[in-house]
Amino acid sequence: SQWGEENLQALSIQEGEDVTMNCSYKTYTTVVQWYRQKSGKGPAQLILIRSNEREKRSGRLRATLDTSSQSSSLSITGTLATDTAVYFCATDVGDNSKLIWGLGTSLVVNP
Amino acid sequence: EAAVTQSPRSKVAVTGGKVTLSCHQTNNHDYMYWYRQDTGHGLRLIHYSYVADSTEKGDIPDGYKASRPSQENFSLILELASLSQTAVYFCASSGRDISYEQYFGPGTRLTVL
Repeated sequence: SQWGEENLQALSIQEGEDVTMNCSYKTYTTVVQWYRQKSGKGPAQLILIRSNEREKRSGRLRATLDTSSQSSSLSITGTLATDTAVYFCATDVGDNSKLIWGLGTSLVVNP
Repeated sequence: EAAVTQSPRSKVAVTGGKVTLSCHQTNNHDYMYWYRQDTGHGLRLIHYSYVADSTEKGDIPDGYKASRPSQENFSLILELASLSQTAVYFCASSGRDISYEQYFGPGTRLTVL
């Protein structure tokens, strides 16, 4: 498997708290993407971070990538109830033809 | 706005029956994908396609066939549906640019009885 066991997670927090989700991967990648899947919907990309970047920000989101430890994280600051979703990380396989998906982190933000 | 549509949105099928799930994209993307998602699992790739009239096996192709008759359309076919194929199926598309982003449809919930 591309992913470590720690990728399968379930988190429950209160609105306003900050949260960080982690994933690790086992093979070389040029890109890590983070997707969010809300209940009853397909996943949608949140942020993409390339292997030559250590950090990428987009609004309340911050992604990091550590190629030496082959790990990535996604942080959300000031969570909202609408952030409740499953969050996936995904890596490429050396070209952009297909992605390898992590198992996801279920995040519940309680109002 | 990228658009991927799937039909039907839900379907109940009988064991041993034939099921066809359809996907249509208006993104002008070359790549299309079929995934299944089971409760408690992530996305698993069934088949994908780089170009019309050609399909490739993904990670779990057994029991599924795929057809890409045009750039816009990609179908997933279950010739002999089985109980184990009960799942939510997602279609996605992506372009040949360097963004790697996949655009997903809303999913089809398939129940095999």
